Amino acid sequence: GAVVSQHPSRVICKSGTSVKIECRSLDFQATTMFWYRQFPKQSLMLMATSNEGSKATYEQGVEKDKFLINHASLTLSTLTVTSAHPEDSSFYICSASAGRRWLVGDTQYFGPGTRLTVL
Amino acid sequence: AQKITQTQPGMFVQEKEAVTLDCTYDTSDPSYGLFWYKQPSSGEMIFLIYQGSYDQQNATEGRYSLNFQKARKSANLVISASQLGDSAMYFCAMREGLLDSSASKIIFGSGTRLSIRP
Repeated sequence: GAVVSQHPSRVICKSGTSVKIECRSLDFQATTMFWYRQFPKQSLMLMATSNEGSKATYEQGVEKDKFLINHASLTLSTLTVTSAHPEDSSFYICSASAGRRWLVGDTQYFGPGTRLTVL
Repeated sequence: AQKITQTQPGMFVQEKEAVTLDCTYDTSDPSYGLFWYKQPSSGEMIFLIYQGSYDQQNATEGRYSLNFQKARKSANLVISASQLGDSAMYFCAMREGLLDSSASKIIFGSGTRLSIRP
């Protein structure tokens, strides 16, 4: 199956700093990538959808200026948490899709996740 | 309104028994897809099985099968001969608008924590 990587897997930072998380599709071109956030013992909440070469579409309630998303190439999307605070501590997961609309059930493949802890 | 409902927050099953994880969904879109993912304690999301709204037969993948009842809008996951390694969170998910030109988002249910007893 398709492989999606995330880096770093864990990050601990001080309050007020910015953290960048990378999501890469290793063996396919991802026209669309998704960023999710998951709090302990809860479900995945979609934060934003990013399409290569265009601005990300954010879900309601997600601050665009706080969670900067860049999808610069067909294999890389980045999420930057700016001026992180303890309430931003969470598990961030990306997923990638080839966007093959002719393939019904085009699956999203998930990265292993990044655990962010803000002190 | 909840799009995806998983009513079992937790389940305990004896090893080697079959288990059914419930999932109901709500959509008015005639084209949609239903997914099940497994999330072990390590956190990664593992794709298990997919069912399309137009698929005539229930999907099967090894020990996993999806009991798709379209009229009832249910898509239960059946795991046969459960193993200790099946202990994990299981999420039902739905993607609408499969005929759209762009990849549409997947919406997740709240999950079911499955624990397999030896």
